Parts: sequence; structure tokens; C-alpha cells
Amino acid sequence: GDSVTQMEGPVTLSEEAFLTINCTYTATGYPSLFWYVQYPGEGLQLLLKATKADDKGSNKGFEATYRKETTSFHLEKGSVQVSDSAVYFCALSYQGGSEKLVFGKGTKLTVNP
Amino acid sequence: EPEVTQTPSHQVTQMGQEVILRCVPISNHLYFYWYRQILGQKVEFLVSFYNNEISEKSEIFDDQFSVERPDGSNFTLKIRSTKLEDSAMYFCASIHGLAGGWGEQFFGPGTRLTVL
Repeated sequence: GDSVTQMEGPVTLSEEAFLTINCTYTATGYPSLFWYVQYPGEGLQLLLKATKADDKGSNKGFEATYRKETTSFHLEKGSVQVSDSAVYFCALSYQGGSEKLVFGKGTKLTVNP
Repeated sequence: EPEVTQTPSHQVTQMGQEVILRCVPISNHLYFYWYRQILGQKVEFLVSFYNNEISEKSEIFDDQFSVERPDGSNFTLKIRSTKLEDSAMYFCASIHGLAGGWGEQFFGPGTRLTVL
């Protein structure tokens, strides 16, 4: 079946450091890929998405590129801020049907000033 | 800004008891979901609901679970006889549901269920 694997956390960085959170997937078809973020005490929020191979999703300085050849969707940000501290979830979904999300385990990021 | 709300934020119950988790999806949304996350594990899909019926359910969603949209606003998840392994964070989500999809799923803040 379909699955998503994320790098194990937690990740601790200093402010302005470069961030990479690795995400790889196993899929039977051609899914869309997502990054969701969960800030403390809140629900999951869509951060960015990509719907087909080579698409790049971007939002709030975060980027991820849909790499079909490596089945990856790594999240990157050039300079993290304290306010980026949150849990990040990689996920996939298929168009049509119920469009349920298949999530990775989540990676907790802490950014220190 | 419209948001998905969930109540209660934390529910503690005894094993074998029935619990009802409540969600109010965004008002013009058509598809509704429940997910759960056992501590330290993945967020897992439980069930999707559209047009007053289940559109898909996972293996986790056995006969102990049921969902209902009793009125125009609430979407509930009932667990008939809770087990220790039902302890988890339960997330409700909704999507507008335009044909062809790709609409964003909006999530509630979750209900933490603790079964003793």
C-alpha cells in the first residue's frame, strides 16, 4: 500500500539556519504530495503542495519539489525563524475518490534564538 | 476566518464506555474526515463521509466506530466500547469538495482521548 516516510525528529536549529526535512513515499499511482504544519495547540494546516512530478510547492519561504525519480518531497527553508517551531507532516493523496491523506510520522522542529 | 472546531479538547473515559467526539466542519464544506494519531505514531485515516454516508473507511474503523451528521453543522465520531488502544488524538477535517478535488483539507485542533 501507499506510505510516507519522514526523517526522525526532533530537529533543533538555531535561528537563520538552513532546514531540510526529508520525506520519501511509496505509491501505487501518481499522488499529490503535501506538507502540513501543526503549531502548538492548533490543528494541521496546509503548508504547501505539489500535484505532479517536477512541480515545486512553496509558501512562507518553505519549498519542496516533487521528485518522481527518487520518490521524494523534501522540505527546505533557507533561514528558519523561531516562529517556524512546529511539527511538520508530509502526506500524499490521490485525486478523486475520498481524497484521504496518508501521512508520515511528523517531524518536530525547534528553532532557538 | 472559518475554521473547524472540535469538542472536547480532552476526554478521559473508562475502558468499555461509549464516547462521542464532536466536530463542527466549515459551513459550506461537503466532505468530512476523521483521522487519529496514537502518541508517537503516524496520523492515520479513519473514515470519510459525504452526502450523509461513509465514502471510505480504513481497517481501523471497525464495528466499534460510527459517524453521524445529526444536523446541518455537527459531525460526530462515536466509539461504542472504548479500549485502551483507542487512546489517541482524534482530528476532524473537512474539504469543500469541488469536483476534481485538490481542495485543501482543513483540520480541527484535535480531541485527545485517554482510555483508562
